[in-house]
Parts: sequence; structure tokens; C-alpha cells
Amino acid sequence: AQSVAQPEDQVNVAEGNPLTVKCTYSVSGNPYLFWYVQYPNRGLQFLLKYITGDNLVKGSYGFEAEFNKSQTSFHLKKPSALVSDSALYFCAVRAGSSNTGKLIFGQGTTLQVKP
Amino acid sequence: DGGITQSPKYLFRKEGQNVTLSCEQNLNHDAMYWYRQDPGQGLRLIYYSQIVNDFQKGDIAEGYSVSREKKESFPLTVTSAQKNPTAFYLCASRPGLEQPEQFFGPGTRLTVL
Repeated sequence: AQSVAQPEDQVNVAEGNPLTVKCTYSVSGNPYLFWYVQYPNRGLQFLLKYITGDNLVKGSYGFEAEFNKSQTSFHLKKPSALVSDSALYFCAVRAGSSNTGKLIFGQGTTLQVKP
Repeated sequence: DGGITQSPKYLFRKEGQNVTLSCEQNLNHDAMYWYRQDPGQGLRLIYYSQIVNDFQKGDIAEGYSVSREKKESFPLTVTSAQKNPTAFYLCASRPGLEQPEQFFGPGTRLTVL
């Protein structure tokens, strides 16, 4: 069965420091991987995706993510955190062979960036 | 939130009542999805539709119903059979298989009184 795990409920980081939000996945076949961000009482905003190609994927707002096939991970990173990055972050996976487009979401990680 | 609108933003319902949540998109996307979000549980798929006049159950379809009579619209009805309907409901759409990411509306918060 497909699954996504975000092992940290909350990540705290000081403004200007690098941040990492962790995600591991389990899927048969080649994975399609996604990161979304959600601000309070809002919908999810798409940040970036990995389908194939370079293991380092760059996305919106200075975020990037590194795909590691051997560790089945897709961690979200940013070199220098901003207070405005504070939000709820979701990792999602889709089996590459799926033709329904269904995504499986992790439970979310709250990122708190302190001034 | 792009070209996906959801209404109303907040909805209050008495127990035993059916309510319908609206989802409209002007992006010409083929596929549409309904998710339920509860604190600490991420998003769970309720129903999805890949084409007009066709839809499939997701992981938690019991107590919900949908229709897809137009490409732009995918309303969700929360029936009285749904035991715990208080949640944040999110609608999403996807252009096609060649573009796998989904785009989300702003959500509807349903509270059962």
C-alpha cells in the first residue's frame, strides 16, 4: 500500500537559519512526489514536484527538495528561513503507474520560524 | 487558490440536515477531487471525478455524495448519514495525466451544531 510519513509534527527554526522538513514514502513503482504549504484557514498551495530527472528539485518561494531513492525520502529544504514561511507543510505521493491521479498525503508538519 | 472557488467559506448545520458544498473551477481541468481535513490527520480523499458524468469513491466516501454534470462544477453533499461531519473540506482539480499536481480551492469549514 502507498503511504507517506512526516515524522515531525513540528519543526522550529530561527529566522535566517536553514530549514528541513522530512518526508519518507512507500509506493510501488516510480513515485511522483509533491510538497504543498497551507496557511491558516486556506487551501493548499503547490510548492514543487519530483517526477523524474535531477534529484534536487527547485520550487516556489526559494524552497527545494531532494529525492533520495535508496532512502525513499523527499525532504523539503530552504537555505535561509523567513518568519513568513511559518505554516503547515504537506508531503504527498502518487504511484507513477496510477491513472487516477490520486494523491496520498502525509499528516503534515507545522513549521515555526522565530525572529 | 487559482481559479478554483468554494462556497460558502463557513457553514453551520444542525444534526440530521443534508448540506451541499460548492466547488467551481474555470481552469478547464478534467479531474476534480474532494478531501476532508481533520487536525493531525492530513487530507483524506472523499470522492474524485476524472470526467464529466463519472466519479469514484475515495477512502472515506460513506455519508457523502457528489455529482459531475458539468466540467466546471463538482458539488459535495454531506448527508445526515455522515457521523462526524465537522471538518475542513477542500476541493482540488488537475489538468490531466500529463500534469500530476493538484490545485486547491480555499476550503469550506463545516460545523455541525
